Amino acid sequence: QVQVQESGPGLVKPSQTLSLTCTVSGGSISSGSYYWSWIRQPAEKGLEWIGRIYTSGSTNYNPSIKSRVTISVDTSKNQFSLELSSVTAADTAVYYCARDKAFSWFDPWGQGTLVTVSS
Amino acid sequence: QSVLTQPPSASGTPGQRVTISCSGSSSNIGSNYVYWYQQLPGTAPKLLIYRNNQRPSGVPDRFSGSKSGTSASLAISGLRSEDEADYYCAAWDDSLGGVVFGGGTKLTVL
Repeated sequence: QVQVQESGPGLVKPSQTLSLTCTVSGGSISSGSYYWSWIRQPAEKGLEWIGRIYTSGSTNYNPSIKSRVTISVDTSKNQFSLELSSVTAADTAVYYCARDKAFSWFDPWGQGTLVTVSS
Repeated sequence: QSVLTQPPSASGTPGQRVTISCSGSSSNIGSNYVYWYQQLPGTAPKLLIYRNNQRPSGVPDRFSGSKSGTSASLAISGLRSEDEADYYCAAWDDSLGGVVFGGGTKLTVL
């Protein structure tokens, strides 16, 4: 059974780049017709989709933050990654990775990792 | 301001049936499948309903989804205390070219 797990720094300084990695276990990231997504949730707020990547490298991003986001995949490591540049306090959130079977069909989800933007 | 509109809260007593609405537009719910997620306190969201009305294995049949036009609903029958959670609807938006979520509905079991 496929599982996903986020990892990365829990604290990032303002104006710097947030970098997170999602490791896929229990199956190959390249098998099946899946996208792999990042979603975030500020404290006490709702979910926001950040973007997704197909194993071919094709990406889709949320237009509201597209200029600052890069999602990449490393099939040799069974991982995909998120980079969010020029972060501010508004980017403080729990970041989730998830397998995206098709157009908002997210299953499974990682447990989430809290990233705080602060000096 | 979320693209999909949900009531911020809902409540019911054990055994009751409650419904949670999700309103969108022709570019999202009107032309794509709707998905529902349950987020128990302090945990990651979990897929509850896919493709408007399908339940993943392991999800009780007390949970059901429906869609009509540009709106969707999640119904929970035989309400139980463990159903107390936040519920989110989601759909692809053709105009935005991405996934949109509802703002979430906090369900309280009285």
